[in-house]
Amino acid sequence: GAGVSQSPSNKVTEKGKDVELRCDPISGHTALYWYRQSLGQGLEFLIYFQGNSAPDKSGLPSDRFSAERTGGSVSTLTIQRTQQEDSAVYLCASSLRAPGAYEQYFGPGTRLTVT
Amino acid sequence: KQEVTQIPAALSVPEGENLVLNCSFTDSAIYNLQWFRQDPGKGLTSLLLIQSSQREQTSGRLNASLDKSSGRSTLYIAASQPGDSATYLCAVYGNNRLAFGKGNQVVVIP
Repeated sequence: GAGVSQSPSNKVTEKGKDVELRCDPISGHTALYWYRQSLGQGLEFLIYFQGNSAPDKSGLPSDRFSAERTGGSVSTLTIQRTQQEDSAVYLCASSLRAPGAYEQYFGPGTRLTVT
Repeated sequence: KQEVTQIPAALSVPEGENLVLNCSFTDSAIYNLQWFRQDPGKGLTSLLLIQSSQREQTSGRLNASLDKSSGRSTLYIAASQPGDSATYLCAVYGNNRLAFGKGNQVVVIP
């Protein structure tokens, strides 16, 4: 079946612009996660959605970052007024449900470059 | 805060040798541990998931062990092949998230 998909695969933006990154999880997966991977920081958690529960936003680095999940499926990560330190690969993952012993499946990522 | 450490950061082995990759974590309150493979410029591919109640998990040439009380996991790759060259990431799940190590970068020399 189809895996986790993300779009765009690459995004180059000017400092100060807003960007939107999209994630389509595996059908039927109720848990969705955003992570980012940067050279200096490794892989770090950003936000977690589980069904209709309030999201866990504790990993978002600043209030310029926000995310939503519509209809329990597609998710959009928005970064406002982008800064050069936002340059990273943004990865989305989904699992059947959470918490518990459920495998997380990752998408191919969106590489964001802020110039 | 969960801290995950992977040693060594990088290693090279001749083809055919067994690979041993180590992972340690500071907080034993985890639901599971996953090992991933990442190829350059690519996303993460899940290799094995070990539930917190399990001691080990096997898939083909891969075997992973988990000692939750001591905060350690080991990934064994038998009879390594050049195609096994990649970065291997260990991650533990707890507190609504995976916490990742920085990875073991592996090169298998033909």
